[in-house]
Amino acid sequence: EAGVAQSPRYKIIEKRQSVAFWCNPISGHATLYWYQQILGQGPKLLIQFQNNGVVDDSQLPKDRFSAERLKGVDSTLKIQPAKLEDSAVYLCASSPGLAGAGETQYFGPGTRLLVL
Amino acid sequence: GENVEQHPSTLSVQEGDSAVIKCTYSDSASNYFPWYKQELGKRPQLIIDIRSNVGEKKDQRIAVTLNKTAKHFSLHITETQPEDSAVYFCAADGSGNTGKLIFGQGTTLQVKP
Repeated sequence: EAGVAQSPRYKIIEKRQSVAFWCNPISGHATLYWYQQILGQGPKLLIQFQNNGVVDDSQLPKDRFSAERLKGVDSTLKIQPAKLEDSAVYLCASSPGLAGAGETQYFGPGTRLLVL
Repeated sequence: GENVEQHPSTLSVQEGDSAVIKCTYSDSASNYFPWYKQELGKRPQLIIDIRSNVGEKKDQRIAVTLNKTAKHFSLHITETQPEDSAVYFCAADGSGNTGKLIFGQGTTLQVKP
């Protein structure tokens, strides 16, 4: 089966600019996750969707980050305005079932963002 | 808060030797503990996972052990090969039974030929 797709793969912007990332999960997967992975650290969950509803966005900096999954399939993550500390890899993952412990998460290749 | 500590941060072994990576977690309600391998510039890939109703799981050269009382779990790789070189992340599921994962900081494993 096709894996999780993300675009773009790389993005360079200046601080205070805006940027958007796109994710297409594995077909039929109900749950979608966005993680931020800063260089040298493990991924940190930003937001989790089940179908088109938000399950957890407790670590999303809502003053500058937003995300949506309007039709319960693909998702976009936006940063506006970007800060230097937003430089990271943004990983999208999906899991087949409804949100719950023990679901295997499949990761996309990530979008590497550099904010200058 | 929820936390997963992972050690060591770097590990260098000779080809054929064993490698052990250890993690501790803070939330006693955690029940699912996956391990991911991430090669440079690539996506994290699940290599093995364990659930709290078992103490050990093995898949060929890879094994994971879990001690729920002590809240720690370990990854064991035997007969290491150069292609095992990568960053390894442990994770534990967070509170609320939503499936979110709390990741450790990662271990860079280098297997020298």
